[in-house]
Amino acid sequence: EVQLVESGGVLVQPGGSLRLSCAASGFTFSIYSMNWVRQAPGKGLEWVSYISSSGSTIYYADSVKGRFTISRDNAKNSLYLQMNSLRDEDTAVYYCARTTNDYSKNFDYWGQGTLVTVSS
Amino acid sequence: SYELTQPLSVSVALGQTARITCGGKNIGSKNVHWYQQKPGQAPVLVIYRDSNRPSGIPERFSGSNSGNMATLTISRAQAGDEADYYCQVWDSSTVIFGGGTKLTVL
Repeated sequence: EVQLVESGGVLVQPGGSLRLSCAASGFTFSIYSMNWVRQAPGKGLEWVSYISSSGSTIYYADSVKGRFTISRDNAKNSLYLQMNSLRDEDTAVYYCARTTNDYSKNFDYWGQGTLVTVSS
Repeated sequence: SYELTQPLSVSVALGQTARITCGGKNIGSKNVHWYQQKPGQAPVLVIYRDSNRPSGIPERFSGSNSGNMATLTISRAQAGDEADYYCQVWDSSTVIFGGGTKLTVL
């Protein structure tokens, strides 16, 4: 069974930093590209970042470019999101999501999410 | 930047057909995917590449995509279909989600 379990969400002050993790199991993590998607309270889905299976290709949403860094450790079946210079508007539930394949590029499995609250 | 436009809300009578639209410039040339999200839960993929259903998704869910509009159709709507629905595409190395449509089953 495919499982994605996010962790690391906490209350952090504006300007602070945080690292989210996503532990993957039930599939060969190293052959799938992965993503972070967030959802602010009461709002819609917003894609944050993409990383290819090898980690060689990375994309970011303009809203986080220069502040967030996506990475992965295929030996540990884990995906990460380093979040720096956090702002109030980064408050959201953060989901990790698997890309089915790089042709279709849909997200076939999602974690349950971890809540990041940025507030003083 | 590319934009996807969805109606904020759609209502459907129990057992009838609901259609949720997703508008975008020349969206017919892109692969469109649809997600269902119920309160407090993670999104679930219900349609991929315009009209394909993942395993476990009822045949009542179907999709189409042409020109400047993609459509998610839910036939014989059930109370359990009440949820938010999002369309999604890729454009220029960026993932775009529509704003979401709240489906109410009356």
